[in-house]
Amino acid sequence: DTEVTQTPKHLVMGMTNKKSLKCEQHMGHRAMYWYKQKAKKPPELMFVYSYEKLSINESVPSRFSPECPNSSLLNLHLHALQPEDSALYLCASSQDRGGQPQHFGDGTRLSIL
Amino acid sequence: GNSVTQMEGPVTLSEEAFLTINCTYTATGYPSLFWYVQYPGEGLQLLLKATKADDKGSNKGFEATYRKETTSFHLEKGSVQVSDSAVYFCALSDRAYNTDKLIFGTGTRLQVFP
Repeated sequence: DTEVTQTPKHLVMGMTNKKSLKCEQHMGHRAMYWYKQKAKKPPELMFVYSYEKLSINESVPSRFSPECPNSSLLNLHLHALQPEDSALYLCASSQDRGGQPQHFGDGTRLSIL
Repeated sequence: GNSVTQMEGPVTLSEEAFLTINCTYTATGYPSLFWYVQYPGEGLQLLLKATKADDKGSNKGFEATYRKETTSFHLEKGSVQVSDSAVYFCALSDRAYNTDKLIFGTGTRLQVFP
């Protein structure tokens, strides 16, 4: 069982839809991350939140909009996505101190029609 | 910049065989090193970690030693099982903007047959 919970597990949406991915952790971690993973590739970092503030945006298109409402929750708002955005989206969290491991959720598998 | 290089897969082994997956890294400073495992349809699970030179991480029969002199962190297991079939990622932490970034290798698929 993972300690980082992501919902939904699967999402199919059209290019004009708006949807949100959700991530929750109750380990007291103060850093949270969004990754995108394509098949047979390693995860690619998208965003990092540290103490609920956006600290890293890896030049992600504006059709992806992250939000951190509190220290336990992380959302990723999706709008006007493209077929190439179909992927596994992973959330992770860690204690925000140097060299600490990140703990991953099981991801949301997103398909864009 | 920092980077991680892993051996190409897939690695195909019979049950109870010895496993080695090579990982080397390039880094400024002294990063922490990790092995993650990803089973089909799941997220990444931390398998083991090492935070300084000569540290040995171990878990579930897997081991890896942080070798500064050879900049390596090879994963080993003495006797693999079918249930070990998965993709294994080597990674290092890269502290940027006071927040850790993980730099991943390309991943190595392990297939274990009975």
